[in-house]
Amino acid sequence: NAGVTQTPKFQVLKTGQSMTLQCAQDMNHEYMSWYRQDPGMGLRLIHYSVGAGITDQGEVPNGYNVSRSTTEDFPLRLLSAAPSQTSVYFCASSYASGRLNEQFFGPGTRLTVL
Amino acid sequence: AQSVAQPEDQVNVAEGNPLTVKCTYSVSGNPYLFWYVQYPNRGLQFLLKYITGDNLVKGSYGFEAEFNKSQTSFHLKKPSALVSDSALYFCAVRDRVGFNKFYFGSGTKLNVKP
Repeated sequence: NAGVTQTPKFQVLKTGQSMTLQCAQDMNHEYMSWYRQDPGMGLRLIHYSVGAGITDQGEVPNGYNVSRSTTEDFPLRLLSAAPSQTSVYFCASSYASGRLNEQFFGPGTRLTVL
Repeated sequence: AQSVAQPEDQVNVAEGNPLTVKCTYSVSGNPYLFWYVQYPNRGLQFLLKYITGDNLVKGSYGFEAEFNKSQTSFHLKKPSALVSDSALYFCAVRDRVGFNKFYFGSGTKLNVKP
């Protein structure tokens, strides 16, 4: 298994540009989520999905969109990038909550917005 | 609301000495608690979890954690630190119902010196 994969690893954007961060998992996990990691703030939940076609907002959803058309993929879209979105983004997946399983994380995407 | 606190930004220990990384939590009801480790430029890796049962939980790489309900703590411990243990450590609490939503602490940087 490849686990959770993310592309790209690094990205530089100009203010106002849009882009999509890709996330895929091959473990047939129902749940997927996006976090951003900022110094001294731990990880904060942006959006999550409990299955194909079902998404919901986390703690910091503004400026981001998601969709889940398949079990495997969960892309994160930045609509109009802002310097405040400079961060490291992690995608995670897990089985449904009933199993009380840990989340598996991808390697991250380091995004800089100029 | 669920939350965790990691009171130390950084912990320094000498190789071979015992280490402790502190975590306290605030939840309604019984907690589901986790520890993750992050090595430089990598995603988070699961170390161990407490769901129920024995208060001393053993995990990967020789780490263990002690759940203390009266002190609402879940400190991470290792009897003998290795230089390779140097990393960023995150404590997390999980929602008891619904989506597998995690709330992360701000992280503690562990430095193990030879």
